[in-house]
Amino acid sequence: AQSVTQLDSQVPVFEEAPVELRCNYSSSVSVYLFWYVQYPNQGLQLLLKYLSGSTLVKGINGFEAEFNKSQTSFHLRKPSVHISDTAEYFCAVSDLNSGNTPLVFGKGTRLSVIA
Amino acid sequence: DSGVTQTPKHLITATGQRVTLRCSPRSGDLSVYWYQQSLDQGLQFLIQYYNGEERAKGNILERFSAQQFPDLHSELNLSSLELGDSALYFCASSVSRTKQETQYFGPGTRLLVL
Repeated sequence: AQSVTQLDSQVPVFEEAPVELRCNYSSSVSVYLFWYVQYPNQGLQLLLKYLSGSTLVKGINGFEAEFNKSQTSFHLRKPSVHISDTAEYFCAVSDLNSGNTPLVFGKGTRLSVIA
Repeated sequence: DSGVTQTPKHLITATGQRVTLRCSPRSGDLSVYWYQQSLDQGLQFLIQYYNGEERAKGNILERFSAQQFPDLHSELNLSSLELGDSALYFCASSVSRTKQETQYFGPGTRLLVL
């Protein structure tokens, strides 16, 4: 069975400051990893995903994440946040058989960007 | 706008009742996925259909069922509703089910069971 832990439920950060949202996963098999963003009253939007290859994954809106197999982590980073980045962020995992279907989600991290 | 539409946007019903949520995927997408987002359980994958056939099953209760029709729209049926079924139900679609495809999420249907 797989599980995802997002270590911070809320992260406040000042505008133009860097941010890291932490995600750790647990799985007995190889996995695919995802980060999604949910803006207020909207559905999920894929930020980025790790399938294979380079462990540094670049996504939309200036976000990137690094897959660390030894630490079973997939932390999301942005060097300079904007007010518009205020949203809920979800880390998710799937196994190789499930392809692009994220099966298990973390509880989410609410990012609040302060002007 | 992701191109995925869900109806209705909001639904209020009573315990014990049955409701049907509808999802229209993006034009050309063959795969449809259903997710539940609740305060208690967080985000959960429920079920996936590909071109009319069930392809993957997640934490879907026996009281819930889904199907995908020949025109590729999908319906999620929730029966014998309980208070704990109150949640936001998302539908997503993708062209196929391979790892290369990105899922696009609809805006969700918010269900309130009283």
